[in-house]
Amino acid sequence: DADVTQTPRNRITKTGKRIMLECSQTKGHDRMYWYRQDPGLGLQLIYYSFDVKDINKGEISDGYSVSRQAQAKFSLSLESAIPNQTALYFCATSDPQGDEQYFGPGTRLTVT
Amino acid sequence: AQSVTQPDIHITVSEGASLELRCNYSYGATPYLFWYVQSPGQGLQLLLKYFSGDTLVQGIKGFEAEFKRSQSSFNLRKPSVHWSDAAEYFCAVGPYFGNEKLTFGTGTRLTIIP
Repeated sequence: DADVTQTPRNRITKTGKRIMLECSQTKGHDRMYWYRQDPGLGLQLIYYSFDVKDINKGEISDGYSVSRQAQAKFSLSLESAIPNQTALYFCATSDPQGDEQYFGPGTRLTVT
Repeated sequence: AQSVTQPDIHITVSEGASLELRCNYSYGATPYLFWYVQSPGQGLQLLLKYFSGDTLVQGIKGFEAEFKRSQSSFNLRKPSVHWSDAAEYFCAVGPYFGNEKLTFGTGTRLTIIP
């Protein structure tokens, strides 16, 4: 089984809808991350969490919120989706040293 | 502010040929450098990393990278590419501690031709 799983893998939604992307990890790590990937822009950090009680904004947090339900679960929400949030979203986890980040397979989100 | 530049958006090489992907970084302290690979439909996988020690580091899948402080570069190389190496490659830089602050380059897409 994969170390980091993301659901759904693909989602099409309409402008203004609320949507949640879910991430689970079996690495037992405390640190988890949400990234957004756009063509030609690389990965941009949306939010990160050091543990269940610690949530931090990344470079591009506007329009997004997160919830850390447990050590293994970290969800990303778009409260009111807009077309420019169409992108590939990755969840990742790392150990306390942040030595290596382990990525999920990604969720392709399309907002029409 | 830290930054990473991957000057080549797309590279095409023949199977069996050598490969070098370029990465230049800007970082105020000693950097922690990474190369990740993203195969189609997959997440990113770590190829190799460098913090200190020997400036030539070996990674998985036959890749290596060389850190050149004077040139602020961390280029990825492979002596002979295989069709399965077709993917997108990302260079990243961050502090040794606190790698939530990783900054990724924009990626280089590698195409392999027979």
